[in-house]
Amino acid sequence: DVKVTQSSRYLVKRTGEKVFLECVQDMDHENMFWYRQDPGLGLRLIYFSYDVKMKEKGDIPEGYSVSREKKERFSLILESASTNQTSMYLCASRRFGNTIYFGEGSWLTVV
Amino acid sequence: KQEVTQIPAALSVPEGENLVLNCSFTDSAIYNLQWFRQDPGKGLTSLLLIQSSQREQTSGRLNASLDKSSGRSTLYIAASQPGDSATYLCAVGGSSGSARQLTFGSGTQLTVLP
Repeated sequence: DVKVTQSSRYLVKRTGEKVFLECVQDMDHENMFWYRQDPGLGLRLIYFSYDVKMKEKGDIPEGYSVSREKKERFSLILESASTNQTSMYLCASRRFGNTIYFGEGSWLTVV
Repeated sequence: KQEVTQIPAALSVPEGENLVLNCSFTDSAIYNLQWFRQDPGKGLTSLLLIQSSQREQTSGRLNASLDKSSGRSTLYIAASQPGDSATYLCAVGGSSGSARQLTFGSGTQLTVLP
């Protein structure tokens, strides 16, 4: 079975903290994605990666960075968490042009 | 810019009914289209992927069709069950297949009443 695993399901962080969200896929997929999902705004693309060490900004990259040192792992970093980054974060992966698989999501609350 | 619309935003049906969910898109030059379901508080689960050269895909009680010329896809659910209650989203891949060109609809929230 295909698997995209997000290491943290629920996190509560303080304003200004550095936050790491980890995502691992076991399907040898080249493409990996980070989205956030908010009520009324749908899914918005933060960053994506075509392959190892490659990354591109999505629609809302401000306040975020990413790291992809190994093919199976794609990390999302909030350099200095703010309350407007409270959201559900979804990681996904795919082989180019094929089915996209999502993780279970990470609920982040910034207080 | 591709726009993807799913109407209605919410739908409630009695158990056993056959139903159709709609997804429309403005740019017919697509690479593929994918249907997902999302349970509350969870990630998206892939249901069906239709490549641009295909007209439909089937999986169990689900059948998805694609009409590129009219910019429409439908997801048909046969003999609906309470366990089908979820939000259903479609995502359209742009003509190049680029990750940047994936556009999601806002979803249809389906409730199947026992």
